[in-house]
Amino acid sequence: GDSVTQMEGPVTLSEEAFLTINCTYTATGYPSLFWYVQYPGEGLQLLLKATKADDKGSNKGFEATYRKETTSFHLEKGSVQVSDSAVYFCAVRQYGGSQGNLIFGKGTKLSVKP
Amino acid sequence: DADVTQTPRNRITKTGKRIMLECSQTKGHDRMYWYRQDPGLGLRLIYYSFDVKDINKGEISDGYSVSRQAQAKFSLSLESAIPNQTALYFCATSGTSAGWGDTQYFGPGTRLTVL
Repeated sequence: GDSVTQMEGPVTLSEEAFLTINCTYTATGYPSLFWYVQYPGEGLQLLLKATKADDKGSNKGFEATYRKETTSFHLEKGSVQVSDSAVYFCAVRQYGGSQGNLIFGKGTKLSVKP
Repeated sequence: DADVTQTPRNRITKTGKRIMLECSQTKGHDRMYWYRQDPGLGLRLIYYSFDVKDINKGEISDGYSVSRQAQAKFSLSLESAIPNQTALYFCATSGTSAGWGDTQYFGPGTRLTVL
């Protein structure tokens, strides 16, 4: 079945450091790919998404590119802030089968220190 | 006001008790979902509903049941709670656009503790 593997955390960075959180997926067909973010004490909210190969999703300085050849959707940000401290989830939604439900990775906790 | 609300936000109960978690949405979405979140395991789908008459089991439905009372309301029940159902529960909604990239919108979560 479909699955998502993302790098384990926690990840601790200093403010203004470069961030990469790796995400790879297993799915047939042409899935849509998502990054969700969960701030402390809150529910998940969509950070960015990409629906076809080579698409780049971006939001709030975060970017991720849909790489079908490597089945990856790595999250990057050039300069993190303390306010980016949160748990980040990569997710895949397959076109067609299983009614297109989201499959989530286990989450990566990011802590940014001043 | 929040588009997706969950009640209660926190609940402590005892083994064997029946518990109902409620979810309401004002987004006008047809699709609703229940997930549970456990540390280190991400989110796992319990049940989902694509409209009032369409309810489906997810990855981990055993020990849970749901009711879709209206388009805007989707309740999750634990008929006889057990300690390993201690978790953070999220409700989510999504639209029915033709594109498979439609976003799921999450509620704030219910933290359930079963003693």
